[in-house]
Amino acid sequence: SQQGEEDPQALSIQEGENATMNCSYKTSINNLQWYRQNSGRGLVHLILIRSNEREKHSGRLRVTLDTSKKSSSLLITASRAADTASYFCATDKAAGNKLTFGGGTRVLVKP
Amino acid sequence: DTEVTQTPKHLVMGMTNKKSLKCEQHMGHRAMYWYKQKAKKPPELMFVYSYEKLSINESVPSRFSPECPNSSLLNLHLHALQPEDSALYLCASSPGQGLDFSYEQYFGPGTRLTVT
Repeated sequence: SQQGEEDPQALSIQEGENATMNCSYKTSINNLQWYRQNSGRGLVHLILIRSNEREKHSGRLRVTLDTSKKSSSLLITASRAADTASYFCATDKAAGNKLTFGGGTRVLVKP
Repeated sequence: DTEVTQTPKHLVMGMTNKKSLKCEQHMGHRAMYWYKQKAKKPPELMFVYSYEKLSINESVPSRFSPECPNSSLLNLHLHALQPEDSALYLCASSPGQGLDFSYEQYFGPGTRLTVT
């Protein structure tokens, strides 16, 4: 079953624009992770944010976490065509690395 | 080497066949995972191995049989599958299976399985 729901389901932007996607979840979590998947291939880990953290950056990526609202957002700044992919949030409710993935946001960056 | 490899890339099998999917990592990771992903859906966890022992089985049908021969290898044996089992099967690994924290997971490219 899906723990996280992502919004929007799909996003189309021009190269150079920012892309923002949101993830909401239902129960308390230990941490939240974001992954990228290019066209039906393996997933690539982007960022892990722990439940006691509020914001994290990695290059052009910025992730926020609001545990009171049970939500997280992923911002990609200055997008590139190579950012075209599906983005998934994943949560683990407790220890054990048992990740539950959200439905994903499909991002299309047009050159 | 930060790569997880999976073979084969594609597999077509009949419902009476027996086949195996293979996964390998040389990062010294001690936890390995099998996921199933249907088209336009998120990955769903099937099995977790920690230190070569099965630690999580997400109520997967017995026609899927995992095996971890050593810390670098993970197999998924398939037998008497159904057409609805057609999917992308992803293997992943992580440094461990933490008791009070989680690790990022490294994914292989997947095996696209078609059951006819």
